[in-house]
Amino acid sequence: DGGITQSPKYLFRKEGQNVTLSCEQNLNHDAMYWYRQDPGQGLRLIYYSQIVNDFQKGDIAEGYSVSREKKESFPLTVTSAQKNPTAFYLCASSRGLGSSYNEQFFGPGTRLTVL
Amino acid sequence: SQELEQSPQSLIVQEGKNLTINCTSSKTLYGLYWYKQKYGEGLIFLMMLQKGGEEKSHEKITAKLDEKKQQSSLHITASQPSHAGIYLCGADAGTSYGKLTFGQGTILTVHP
Repeated sequence: DGGITQSPKYLFRKEGQNVTLSCEQNLNHDAMYWYRQDPGQGLRLIYYSQIVNDFQKGDIAEGYSVSREKKESFPLTVTSAQKNPTAFYLCASSRGLGSSYNEQFFGPGTRLTVL
Repeated sequence: SQELEQSPQSLIVQEGKNLTINCTSSKTLYGLYWYKQKYGEGLIFLMMLQKGGEEKSHEKITAKLDEKKQQSSLHITASQPSHAGIYLCGADAGTSYGKLTFGQGTILTVHP
């Protein structure tokens, strides 16, 4: 079955540590996205990528980094520079540039807690 | 930048009642997407609207996009406990393909 997977489901991190969240899709989508969700604030875009080896900052990129070496994979690193990293992180993908239908398909999410 | 405002922020209804959730944009909508989310899970795509005046239905959920393409509504008929969750609208402002801006979400509780 086609879809998006995120791992792990729950992640605990000590302050000062970097941590990487995994996102994989087998939908053959060109575009991928990372969002952060906090209670009462909806989804905020961290980074997005419309093609392999290219990505752009979203609205809240500070303290985060990404890579897009393969079409299927878009890992997110939460660095120690992120001041308030405890949140629910969602990865999504869409058909991308040139498509008339840009609905995004979401993974199950990773809940990150900084201890 | 485009902003989306959802109302109400939360809604509690008795099973069997009808309800409406609104999504208002600060700019013209080129595409409006409705999603549903269970707490702690990913978003599930419900419907997409693109044309002014467009209306789509799936089972007991109907979504409309107004003629001016700056407001959308999501209507649930005869609500059931399975409808409970967070409903989010997402907008494509037409400036960057695939990039969506989301509203803050509406929390729906349905009491049996």
